[in-house]
Formats: sequence, C-alpha cells, structure tokens
Amino acid sequence: GAVVSQHPSWVICKSGTSVKIECRSLDFQATTMFWYRQFPKQSLMLMATSNEGSKATYEQGVEKDKFLINHASLTLSTLTVTSAHPEDSSFYICSARYNVGETQYFGPGTRLLVL
Amino acid sequence: AQSVTQPDIHITVSEGASLELRCNYSYGATPYLFWYVQSPGQGLQLLLKYFSGDTLVQGIKGFEAEFKRSQSSFNLRKPSVHWSDAAEYFCAVNSGGGADGLTFGKGTHLIIQP
Repeated sequence: GAVVSQHPSWVICKSGTSVKIECRSLDFQATTMFWYRQFPKQSLMLMATSNEGSKATYEQGVEKDKFLINHASLTLSTLTVTSAHPEDSSFYICSARYNVGETQYFGPGTRLLVL
Repeated sequence: AQSVTQPDIHITVSEGASLELRCNYSYGATPYLFWYVQSPGQGLQLLLKYFSGDTLVQGIKGFEAEFKRSQSSFNLRKPSVHWSDAAEYFCAVNSGGGADGLTFGKGTHLIIQP
C-alpha cells in the first residue's frame, strides 16, 4: 500500500513553455501533498505544501506564480512550471500524506530539462 | 528553524561489514525523525521513523536507528551490509504536525565494496 505515482517521469521542453507534472496517490486519500526539488547530488528542498481544496503554501524564496500547484482532489496534485527556463531544470519529487502526523510517501520523481 | 546535518557525504563499506550513518538535527523540541533511502531511478523509500517511545527503532531491510536526545542524533545502523544497500541515504525531520514538510539532510552516498 501507500503508493504514489508521478507523471511524466522525465520531460524535455523548450525555454518559455509550461510543463505540468502530476502526482497521484494510488491507494489512499492524500489530504496533504508536498512538492520538493532536488538538484544533482544535493538534498531535497521543500517547495510547497498543498492541502486538498486549499491554496498551496509556498516556502520562502519559491515563486508561486512560477510554480503553480493545484490539489483539486484527494488523489491528485499538479505542479505547473510556467515559462520554464534552463535554471528550472531539476528533479521534482512529490510526497503525499493521509493525515497530520502520518508518514509521507514519495513519488519516483520527474526529471525536467529545459533547453 | 530546524536543520539536519549528515556529516559524511560518502561512505565506503565492505560487503558483510557493519554500517553506521550519522545524522544530527537542530530543533527546539522533540522532532519526528526519519531515514529514507533513494536508489537510482526510484523514489524515496522510508526505512524507519521515530515519533516517541523506545529510542531504538527497527526498520525495514535490517536497519535500525537510535534517537539520542542528549546528542541530538539519530544514527542509522545495520550489522551486515549487502551489495544491494548501495544507495543514497537521507535523514529528515519535521515537527510532526500542521502542514510541515520534511527538512532533509544533504544525504550520504553509500558504496559497497565486494
């Protein structure tokens, strides 16, 4: 149980385009989903927290107009990188949690390369 | 603000030898502590977690970790490593409540020598 999927697993796009990444909890309802970013050989950095039906809460330094997060259902959250630039190239990982205090389960990640 | 320090970027261990990965945290109260493993092409997998109670916690794949409040540490151990344990290991912390995401350490890359 507790499986989280992400789609796509990797994406290459041109600079200036927008890219949408999906995060799904397959066998449980995720009241909260988190989005992280991981640079090569570095740690995961929390970008934002989204609660189902609410606006996402962004960490300091993360542009909310750049990284649009939608959590419209208990099993799906999306991250849209708008007007992507090469510096947005990274590994984006989501996690999902059923309830406060519960363990977070991570998706396999999405590798984004912006040319 | 909470923080996590993993002082060892790389560790090399011979197969069959014991392993200890270090983790120190900075947090005002007792945090929720986690160890995750990340293998290439795979998502982070939870090895074990500490919320409260017994300070020695058992996890999957033969791993265990001990919470030491006096040292602000949560070191991960395994008595005998296998080649399949080669991966990136992350220690993480959060407050356990509210909307807090996890704060991760920089990770320790484990190399297993035959």
